Amino acid sequence: NAGVTQTPKFQVLKTGQSMTLQCAQDMNHEYMSWYRQDPGMGLRLIHYSVGAGITDQGEVPNGYNVSRSTTEDFPLRLLSAAPSQTSVYFCASSYVRSGEMQYFGPGTRLTVT
Amino acid sequence: SQQGEEDPQALSIQEGENATMNCSYKTSINNLQWYRQNSGRGLVHLILIRSNEREKHSGRLRVTLDTSKKSSSLLITASRAADTASYFCATADYYGGSQGNLIFGKGTKLSVKP
Repeated sequence: NAGVTQTPKFQVLKTGQSMTLQCAQDMNHEYMSWYRQDPGMGLRLIHYSVGAGITDQGEVPNGYNVSRSTTEDFPLRLLSAAPSQTSVYFCASSYVRSGEMQYFGPGTRLTVT
Repeated sequence: SQQGEEDPQALSIQEGENATMNCSYKTSINNLQWYRQNSGRGLVHLILIRSNEREKHSGRLRVTLDTSKKSSSLLITASRAADTASYFCATADYYGGSQGNLIFGKGTKLSVKP
């Protein structure tokens, strides 16, 4: 199993550009989520999904969109990038629910200039 | 909203010594988890302790949970240079305001010198 994969590893955007961060898992996990990690802030939940077709907002959802058309994929879309979205983004998944053990992807380091 | 707060923020020890990190939280929980993050990498799950458990072991790791004090500790015995990483606690409250999602603390940065 590849586990949780994320692409790209690094990305530089200009303010106002849009892009999609990809996340995929091959463990047949129902629950998937996106976090951002900023220095000194720990991880904060952006959006999550409890199954295909179901998504919900986390703590810091503004400026981000998600969709879950399949169990395997959970892309995160930045609609109009802002410097405040410079961060490291992690995708995670778990078998049933968020409160159980999470498997994390390697992260995407995003810089918005 | 930060639930868990780790203490200390940074810890530097010699190889072979024990490392103890603490986590305090604010609300009721169903479980508490510890994760490790090596520099530039994703988080790796270490151990999960449920609210009705007081102590759990996994290899060189020992976790305790005191729900009356809303605190947990992670002990790494006989530390190695490879244990150098940041350690995060995360809490889950299935029926609370976070909809059961994990809430992470800010982490303890552990440095183990050879």
